[in-house]
Amino acid sequence: GEDVEQSLFLSVREGDSSVINCTYTDSSSTYLYWYKQEPGAGLQLLTYIFSNMDMKQDQRLTVLLNKKDKHLSLRIADTQTGDSAIYFCAESINSGYALNFGKGTSLLVTP
Amino acid sequence: GAVVSQHPSWVICKSGTSVKIECRSLDFQATTMFWYRQFPKQSLMLMATSNEGSKATYEQGVEKDKFLINHASLTLSTLTVTSAHPEDSSFYICSARQSTEQFFGPGTRLTVL
Repeated sequence: GEDVEQSLFLSVREGDSSVINCTYTDSSSTYLYWYKQEPGAGLQLLTYIFSNMDMKQDQRLTVLLNKKDKHLSLRIADTQTGDSAIYFCAESINSGYALNFGKGTSLLVTP
Repeated sequence: GAVVSQHPSWVICKSGTSVKIECRSLDFQATTMFWYRQFPKQSLMLMATSNEGSKATYEQGVEKDKFLINHASLTLSTLTVTSAHPEDSSFYICSARQSTEQFFGPGTRLTVL
């Protein structure tokens, strides 16, 4: 499918906020997801947002959705070293909820 | 959250052999499971959608005779890589759908010598 775009790398200091951006492709995507992948491991679902929502907050995570621009962002407040990982955004495709993934943003949190 | 397991977690095989990977939803029933493939430092690419009791739907460019998928029950889907070759070496990840969420297995690293 077409590319879901993400910046490849982000470095922040511990305690700062991290913002990871994503541009998706399919305006008919019903759900948009953020996953976290630690080295050598599978994917952990962090959060998802329904396409008719603008924002969703879940503890330290805030998802913003601009449907007009097809732009999705994930903000992590008070970023910790344990947040260092690769973060993938994904859009649901087809009607069966298969996912089209971005290439992932590698987040490095430094002390 | 829901738990999905994969077995084996890693496998090394000789070229020409077949390898079976199992994906199980441990605490929920999944009518739909998905198989993805991830190359190093790359994104996940959807290979196929596996529906319980019916034939899998393969994405364009994925050979269905090479990657055999069987979704025999609501908690188990298997992917068999037939006559594996070194270019099949990759990280294979399954997911199981529960309502609007997809839960991923820990992945299986396949190395074909």
